[in-house]
Amino acid sequence: SQQGEEDPQALSIQEGENATMNCSYKTSINNLQWYRQNSGRGLVHLILIRSNEREKHSGRLRVTLDTSKKSSSLLITASRAADTASYFCATDKGGSYIPTFGRGTSLIVHP
Amino acid sequence: NAGVTQTPKFQVLKTGQSMTLQCAQDMNHNSMYWYRQDPGMGLRLIYYSASEGTTDKGEVPNGYNVSRLNKREFSLRLESAAPSQTSVYFCASSEAAGSYNEQFFGPGTRLTVL
Repeated sequence: SQQGEEDPQALSIQEGENATMNCSYKTSINNLQWYRQNSGRGLVHLILIRSNEREKHSGRLRVTLDTSKKSSSLLITASRAADTASYFCATDKGGSYIPTFGRGTSLIVHP
Repeated sequence: NAGVTQTPKFQVLKTGQSMTLQCAQDMNHNSMYWYRQDPGMGLRLIYYSASEGTTDKGEVPNGYNVSRLNKREFSLRLESAAPSQTSVYFCASSEAAGSYNEQFFGPGTRLTVL
């Protein structure tokens, strides 16, 4: 069963807008990762945030982690058409050090 | 530096046939993984190998077997394919097992079982 669940399932925005997607999880975690998957391709790692961190940045990406709410958010600022992809969170699941993936958020950025 | 490679890219099988999906990585990673991806289900872990010589079941191991042939190669075998195994299969590797390690993914194998 999924540990992390992304929300929304699908998101459609215009180029230049910001995109926010969320990941909620059930049990306490050590680490949370975000991945991107372009259509027909394998996943690509974006960013890792540890349980003792609250926010991390990487280029146009901003990830936050709220362990009290068991949730994380991924913000993509000034979206581009090339950001069109599915985004997945991966969390370790109580007692297992192998991360499990959520079902993903499908992002479409219209030019 | 090819990263993670998978063969074949596409495969069509008939129910009951067997096949082996091949995966190789050239990053000297210790850990390797096999996932399946189905629409609306995200990625589900089939088997993983934390280090050469070890393999462990993941979330959905039934109907599959794996072999960690050496540090580079990790194969997935379907002994008697079933339509429920129609999916996209991804191999991944990481420097070590653990949720703090970035996983590198191959391009996937699209398998259809008729």
